[in-house]
Amino acid sequence: EAGVTQSPTHLIKTRGQQATLRCSPISGHTSVYWYQQALGLGLQFLLWYDEGEERNRGNFPPRFSGRQFPNYSSELNVNALELEDSALYLCASSTTPGLAGEDTGELFFGEGSRLTVL
Amino acid sequence: QKEVEQDPGPLSVPEGAIVSLNCTYSNSAFQYFMWYRQYSRKGPELLMYTYSSGNKEDGRFTAQVDKSSKYISLFIRDSQPSDSATYLCAMSLSNFGNEKLTFGTGTRLTIIP
Repeated sequence: EAGVTQSPTHLIKTRGQQATLRCSPISGHTSVYWYQQALGLGLQFLLWYDEGEERNRGNFPPRFSGRQFPNYSSELNVNALELEDSALYLCASSTTPGLAGEDTGELFFGEGSRLTVL
Repeated sequence: QKEVEQDPGPLSVPEGAIVSLNCTYSNSAFQYFMWYRQYSRKGPELLMYTYSSGNKEDGRFTAQVDKSSKYISLFIRDSQPSDSATYLCAMSLSNFGNEKLTFGTGTRLTIIP
């Protein structure tokens, strides 16, 4: 079974440009989460989508946005790129939250998209 | 002050040693505690999951939660070179999956053969 896939693997942009990152969740998973992993800061929660709707948002400016498509894949857009946006962007998927069972909702991460802003 | 504090290391120990990794947190409402392992150039993967206080053992790994001290630990016995990775603690207010996780910064561990 295919895991979470992310593209592109690496992306180099300059300040002020826009970046688009893509994520395909595990088949059957409806929730997609985006995290930013910057050096020395750990994983910072960005966005959570479930069933096509934005469910929760982390403490990031509005230039970080995204969407989830009917096939549950997701896109993260970062506008007006700044140098500090350079990081590894991780996508994770899970089954629909709220179902019974201890293991329900485990996050399965992709390998990430490394964004470098010059 | 960060909600979750984790010593970033790096930590290097000889093969076969017992490893202790720790996190402290400030939000007493956290109820679900996890340890993720992240190999170089890979995404994190769930290693251990614990609800509330207590211990949980899985093979060579033991997760310990002390809610009174707001302190969680991961012990690795008989450490192997394949355990070399970054270990991230994570915690949430409710059953993970319907609430965002709060992660520590990760501890980079190297097991020396």
